[in-house]
Amino acid sequence: GAVVSQHPSWVICKSGTSVKIECRSLDFQATTMFWYRQFPKQSLMLMATSNEGSKATYEQGVEKDKFLINHASLTLSTLTVTSAHPEDSSFYICSARDLSSTSYEQYFGPGTRLTVT
Amino acid sequence: AQSVTQLGSHVSVSEGALVLLRCNYSSSVPPYLFWYVQYPNQGLQLLLKYTTGATLVKGINGFEAEFKKSETSFHLTKPSAHMSDAAEYFCAVSGNNQGGKLIFGQGTELSVKP
Repeated sequence: GAVVSQHPSWVICKSGTSVKIECRSLDFQATTMFWYRQFPKQSLMLMATSNEGSKATYEQGVEKDKFLINHASLTLSTLTVTSAHPEDSSFYICSARDLSSTSYEQYFGPGTRLTVT
Repeated sequence: AQSVTQLGSHVSVSEGALVLLRCNYSSSVPPYLFWYVQYPNQGLQLLLKYTTGATLVKGINGFEAEFKKSETSFHLTKPSAHMSDAAEYFCAVSGNNQGGKLIFGQGTELSVKP
């Protein structure tokens, strides 16, 4: 149980285009999903917290107009990188909290490798 | 505020040797503590977690960790390393004042020599 999927697993796009990444909780309901960014050989950097039916909460320094997050249902959150540039190339990982969990445990997706050319 | 410090960005052990990955935390509220493992180009997998109760926590793949409040530590151990244990390991802390956020340490890369 507690499986989180991400789609796509990798994507290459041209500079200036937008890319959408989906995060789904497959076998549980998630009121809260998180989006992280990870650079090579580094830890995860929290970008934003996504709550179902409300606006996402962005961490300091993260451009909310560039990284659009939508949490339309209890099983789906999307991250759209708008007007992507090479510096947006990174590994993006989502996680989800089980609605029924009280331990703050997060279940992670497999990640999406974004390369902007 | 909460924070996590992992001592040693890289640890190398021989196959069959003891694995010890160190994690110290800072928290103003009772912490929930986690160890995750990440294999290359993959997401994170939960190894074990401490919430309340027994301070020695057993996880998957033979790993365990002990919560020591007096030392603010949550070190990860495994008696005998296997080649498949080579990966990146992250310690994380959360608590009820963070809205469910996980605060991660810098990570420790574990190498296992044959």
